[in-house]
Amino acid sequence: ETGVTQTPRHLVMGMTNKKSLKCEQHLGHNAMYWYKQSAKKPLELMFVYSLEERVENNSVPSRFSPECPNSSHLFLHLHTLQPEDSALYLCASSLSFGTQSNEKLFFGSGTQLSVL
Amino acid sequence: GESVGLHLPTLSVQEGDNSIINCAYSNSASDYFIWYKQESGKGPQFIIDIRSNMDKRQGQRVTVLLNKTVKHLSLQIAATQPGDSAVYFCAETAPSNDYKLSFGAGTTVTVRA
Repeated sequence: ETGVTQTPRHLVMGMTNKKSLKCEQHLGHNAMYWYKQSAKKPLELMFVYSLEERVENNSVPSRFSPECPNSSHLFLHLHTLQPEDSALYLCASSLSFGTQSNEKLFFGSGTQLSVL
Repeated sequence: GESVGLHLPTLSVQEGDNSIINCAYSNSASDYFIWYKQESGKGPQFIIDIRSNMDKRQGQRVTVLLNKTVKHLSLQIAATQPGDSAVYFCAETAPSNDYKLSFGAGTTVTVRA
């Protein structure tokens, strides 16, 4: 157990649905991340929050909307997704963002998303 | 652009043998490197890390070697066990990139009984 919990573990949704992914960390970290993991590709960084403020948005389509209500919780709201958005979505946290000595990420188990 | 990559996408190893997983990086300013293991149905789990002021670091059954001259990183697993079957990722950071981890595509290790 890494201290980062993601729900749901699996999600199947149609292109017109609206759903949300949830992430919670129990590590006292100040930075949280969303990554997309597709088969045979490196992890793609989507969003970074540091002290509840978004500090990174890597050209992610607006159909993905993150929310960080506090330093322990992170959401990814999904609407009108496309089949190519099907992937494993990983949440991670780190002690802080953008500082040396705090680069290590702690990952959750991910949400396997299928868009039909 | 900068990239992190692994030399081979798959590795098959006999149980009990030693495994070597390789990774090449291109950013000469990278100063921190990390290896993750991802088992089926799980997220990446930290294995071992190393900073650029070191050439070698050892953990429990694992050793990471860093060759800054040729920008090469390797992970050695001693006495490979069935539980070592997983995808292994290397990643690196640099000050110029806000110390964000850049990941390689991963090597799938399969342990033969």
